[in-house]
Amino acid sequence: DIQMTQSPSSVSASVGDRVTITCRASQNINRWLAWYQQKPGKAPKLLISVASNLETGVPSRFSGSGSGTEFSLTINSLQPEDFATYYCQQAKSVPPHFGPGTVVDIK
Amino acid sequence: QVQLVESGGGVVQPGKSLTLSCAASGFAFGSYNLHWVRQPPGKGLEWIALSSYDVSVKSYADSVKGRFTVYRDTSNDTLFLQMDGLRPEDTAVFYCARGYPSGPPYLDHWGRGTLVTVSS
Repeated sequence: DIQMTQSPSSVSASVGDRVTITCRASQNINRWLAWYQQKPGKAPKLLISVASNLETGVPSRFSGSGSGTEFSLTINSLQPEDFATYYCQQAKSVPPHFGPGTVVDIK
Repeated sequence: QVQLVESGGGVVQPGKSLTLSCAASGFAFGSYNLHWVRQPPGKGLEWIALSSYDVSVKSYADSVKGRFTVYRDTSNDTLFLQMDGLRPEDTAVFYCARGYPSGPPYLDHWGRGTLVTVSS
C-alpha cells in the first residue's frame, strides 16, 4: 500500500495570509494526487485532481503542485471560508489512502 | 444534479451486522466507480471499499476485508455496504462517493454520510 503523510498537522493563520500544506507519498505516485477540503459536519469536497488541476468552481487562490513523492497545496490570500481541514489522497493505486489531514484555523 | 444519499446507520452491538445504502441519482450509475469512505468521530478519512462501474472489481481496505461486502442494485441505482462482525472501532460516519468516470479514485461527489455506532 502507498501511505500518505502531511505537514503540518495544523496551522494557525489570519485572513489574507498565504498557507502551504505539504503531502508526501511513501513511493512514486507521479501526479496521481488529490486534495480535499472538509468543513465541520460536512462531507469532503474535491478541490484538486492530478496534483494541480482545479475542480470546476474552486477559487483560483487554491493551487497544487508537485510530482513523484512530494506535493503541496497553497492557499493564497486566505478567506474566512477557507478555515477547514485539508486532506491529500493518492490516486495511483487501490487502496487510495488519504493523508492524516491538516487543520487550518484562525490565528 | 448528482446526488448520493446514504441511509441505514444507527446503533448496533459488537458482533452484529448492518447494511448501509447509498441511493444515487443525476448520473449514469452504471458508468462510474463508487466508493465507501468512513470517518471516526474527530478523526481523519479512511477509504474502505470500491465497487467498479461494471461490478467486476470489488476492493477493500485491510481493516474491513472479510467482514464488509460492497454490492450494487443497478435496477435501483443503489450502492450497498454489508457490514458483518462489527467492532467498536468501526464506529464512524460512512460516506459513499463517486469516482472519476475515467477510473482514478478522484472522489468528485459525496453523500452527506450516515453515522454507525458500534456499542453494547
